[in-house]
Amino acid sequence: NAGVMQNPRHLVRRRGQEARLRCSPMKGHSHVYWYRQLPEEGLKFMVYLQKENIIDESGMPKERFSAEFPKEGPSILRIQQVVRGDSAAYFCASSPLYRDRVLTNEKLFFGSGTQLSVL
Amino acid sequence: SQQGEEDPQALSIQEGENATMNCSYKTSINNLQWYRQNSGRGLVHLILIRSNEREKHSGRLRVTLDTSKKSSSLLITASRAADTASYFCATVYNAGGTSYGKLTFGQGTILTVHP
Repeated sequence: NAGVMQNPRHLVRRRGQEARLRCSPMKGHSHVYWYRQLPEEGLKFMVYLQKENIIDESGMPKERFSAEFPKEGPSILRIQQVVRGDSAAYFCASSPLYRDRVLTNEKLFFGSGTQLSVL
Repeated sequence: SQQGEEDPQALSIQEGENATMNCSYKTSINNLQWYRQNSGRGLVHLILIRSNEREKHSGRLRVTLDTSKKSSSLLITASRAADTASYFCATVYNAGGTSYGKLTFGQGTILTVHP
C-alpha cells in the first residue's frame, strides 16, 4: 500500500515562472491537505480539499496560489509567477474520513515533500 | 508566541537516556498530536491525545496533556540513535462541529541521540 506520493521531489524555478506540485494521496484516502515549511520553522496549513471541493483555504495566499483535487488524478498545488519568498518545502498529507467507524480525519499521513527553490 | 510552541528547541542526549519535550498552546483544542520528522523527509504521526484524555502510551512513547495549563509533554524512554529527528506538536482547534486535519504546528524540538 503505497504512501502519499509527491512529485517532483525538487523543483527549481526562476522568478516569474509557474510551479506545479503534485500529490497522490494514499489509496482509500479522500482528504488532501497542503502544508508549507519555511527553513527552521514548523509546518503551516495552506488548504484542505476533498475530491472536487476546496473545504478550507484559509492558509493559502489570496494571489498566485491555487489548489485542486479533481475527480481523477492527483491533487495539484499551483504557484504562478513565483518569487524568492515562495522557496520552501511543500508537504501534502492525506487522511481517510473513518477507520473502523472511528472518525480519524485528524490524523495525517504525509508525503516526503517537494522542495521548491526560486532563483 | 505561536500556538504549539515546543521546548526545548534542541536536546542532545546519550543512547539509553530518556528524552522529554514540552509543548504549550494557547486556545481550546480538540486534540493534540506529536509528529516526527527526519531530515529532509515528511512527518510521521506518532500519537494523538484528545482533550478529554490526560495520558497516553505507545511503545516507548508517553504523552501527557494538561488542558488547564495548556501544555503537553512527550517522553521517549530508553532512547536510540534512530530516534534522532525533529519532533513537532500540533493542535487541532476546538471550533465546534466536525474537526479535521487543519493542524497548527510548533517550531519543533531537534533531538540528537548519541550512540
